[in-house]
Amino acid sequence: SYELTQPPSVSVSPGQTASITCSGDKLGDKYPCWYQQKPGQSPVLVIYQDTKRPSGIPERFSGSNSGNAATLTISGTQAMDEADYYCQAWDSSTGWVFGGGTKLTVL
Amino acid sequence: QVQLQQSGPGLVKPSQTLSLTCAISGDSVSSDSAAWNWIRQSPSRGLEWLGRTYYRSKWYNDYAPSLRSRITVNPDTSKNQFSLQLNSVTPEDTAVYYCAREWQLVTYYFDYWGQGTLVTVSS
Repeated sequence: SYELTQPPSVSVSPGQTASITCSGDKLGDKYPCWYQQKPGQSPVLVIYQDTKRPSGIPERFSGSNSGNAATLTISGTQAMDEADYYCQAWDSSTGWVFGGGTKLTVL
Repeated sequence: QVQLQQSGPGLVKPSQTLSLTCAISGDSVSSDSAAWNWIRQSPSRGLEWLGRTYYRSKWYNDYAPSLRSRITVNPDTSKNQFSLQLNSVTPEDTAVYYCAREWQLVTYYFDYWGQGTLVTVSS
């Protein structure tokens, strides 16, 4: 079955850039999405089709994808960005697959 | 604005069937641009996709391979909603269950989610 791997945690200082990686076989061909989830809330889409932002998502959120890894980048990280982040991709054999999630701490 | 409202019991006994419903407003379960998904989340499994239903001249379903023998996702066009049934549950099925719309025009993503329902499997 297809798997996506994320680091369990990432820490960043306010105003700095946070990068969260997601790795999977040939992920560069799968147009991954990224979701933000805060405690007690449902996930919110922040990046789709590798690099696109839904309306209402701040410009400081960006994405890239190449080869076997995708990256979510948050520039000028704010305290409100502290959350869990999940990558997601479709695999024809497994269906929708989520990464294990990365806890972003802003300190 | 699409809204998804989940309903169903929060407690299910082992070996019984878990049943949840997701009522759709602002879109149609028969939309030719969307699919309707169930996802669950637990500390041990993280986010886990369960299955989906969608209409493209006829109804289709896709299920996670690990659950294919126990799961059914059905549309209800008369009430504009869709449902999840998971048979023969065990404590391992304890999780927060979400429904979500999957947008399927040009690209694919989950853009609207239900509020989540905590389902506990316990006697």
